[in-house]
Amino acid sequence: QKEVEQDPGPLSVPEGAIVSLNCTYSNSAFQYFMWYRQYSRKGPELLMYTYSSGNKEDGRFTAQVDKSSKYISLFIRDSQPSDSATYLCALYQGGKLIFGQGTELSVKP
Amino acid sequence: EAQVTQNPRYLITVTGKKLTVTCSQNMNHEYMSWYRQDPGLGLRQIYYSMNVEVTDKGDVPEGYKVSRKEKRNFPLILESPSPNQTSLYFCASSPGTSGIYNEQFFGPGTRLTVL
Repeated sequence: QKEVEQDPGPLSVPEGAIVSLNCTYSNSAFQYFMWYRQYSRKGPELLMYTYSSGNKEDGRFTAQVDKSSKYISLFIRDSQPSDSATYLCALYQGGKLIFGQGTELSVKP
Repeated sequence: EAQVTQNPRYLITVTGKKLTVTCSQNMNHEYMSWYRQDPGLGLRQIYYSMNVEVTDKGDVPEGYKVSRKEKRNFPLILESPSPNQTSLYFCASSPGTSGIYNEQFFGPGTRLTVL
């Protein structure tokens, strides 16, 4: 079993839709939970970061962590064509950063 | 400009010919790391370094070497490249390893093809 599982998609939604991206993990030792966004032909960039169970909001983005279920989510409200990218969950523990496979999102105008 | 640079950006080589991909950061970051990205497999960590002269294996270290002689540089060495090392490679750095200080900044990537 992989340490982090993420639905690879691709996911296609109309502009304005609410997007839900999800990851599950198996190792309860993970300390920090992140979401990275990667545009085509670019390196990933940090989008959201949290270390505790619960919700964290930043504009149209909400990161949700449920440590008891080992489940993390990223919600995008009022999605825009500029949100079209690959989204990767990433979990950190002791120097190691483990990424999910990434979900490719396309937001159609 | 604060950044992580990698060279070369593109490289085509042949099996067994030693190569080095350089990585440099100008942000005085403690932590540096190398990843490879393959379709369907996502980003996988090769090696990481939490400080000068300290390196550790990630998930896929076989066939790779690294060194961290100076804080700003973290080269990736392939002593005898093989076709299964054809991939997109990213170098990353972060200020530290605690809390938000482990936000990693990624370089632009190096696309390597081994024939």
